[in-house]
Amino acid sequence: GDSVTQMEGPVTLSEEAFLTINCTYTATGYPSLFWYVQYPGEGLQLLLKATKADDKGSNKGFEATYRKETTSFHLEKGSVQVSDSAVYFCALRGTQGGSEKLVFGKGTKLTVNP
Amino acid sequence: DAMVIQNPRYQVTQFGKPVTLSCSQTLNHNVMYWYQQKSSQAPKLLFHYYDKDFNNEADTPDNFQSRRPNTSFCFLDIRSPGLGDAAMYLCATSSRTTGQPQHFGDGTRLSIL
Repeated sequence: GDSVTQMEGPVTLSEEAFLTINCTYTATGYPSLFWYVQYPGEGLQLLLKATKADDKGSNKGFEATYRKETTSFHLEKGSVQVSDSAVYFCALRGTQGGSEKLVFGKGTKLTVNP
Repeated sequence: DAMVIQNPRYQVTQFGKPVTLSCSQTLNHNVMYWYQQKSSQAPKLLFHYYDKDFNNEADTPDNFQSRRPNTSFCFLDIRSPGLGDAAMYLCATSSRTTGQPQHFGDGTRLSIL
């Protein structure tokens, strides 16, 4: 079945550092890929998405590129802020039956220190 | 703003006492989901509705049930909560018509005494 493997956390960075959170997936066909962010005590917010190979999703300085050849969707940000401290989930939405369903990675907790 | 609203944000119940969590949406989405999320884990899908068509996940305990009386509302009923059911419960919606990503509410944190 479909699966998402995400970089284990926690990740601790200083403000203005470069961020990469790795995400790879296994899926049949051409899934859509997402990054969701969860701030403490809140629900999940969609951060960015990509629906086909070579698409680049971007939002709030975060970027991720859908790489079919490496089945990856790594999240990057050039300069993190304290307010980026949160848990980040990589997810895919497959193309098989029940394709509304999301398959999540385990999440990566990011802490940014001033 | 169109939203997914979950009430209450915090719910405390007693061991074995039935509890209902509610979710409403103004997005007019035809799919609604309930997830359970335990500390430091990814959300786990319990079930979803496509319109009135109910879809239960194979490993969802019988203790968990759901109702969707209309497009806007969906309820999660826990018939006899156990200590292991303490978690954050997330409601989400999506549109099969437009293919937009799932949109989540802020969740209800359930505590069991």
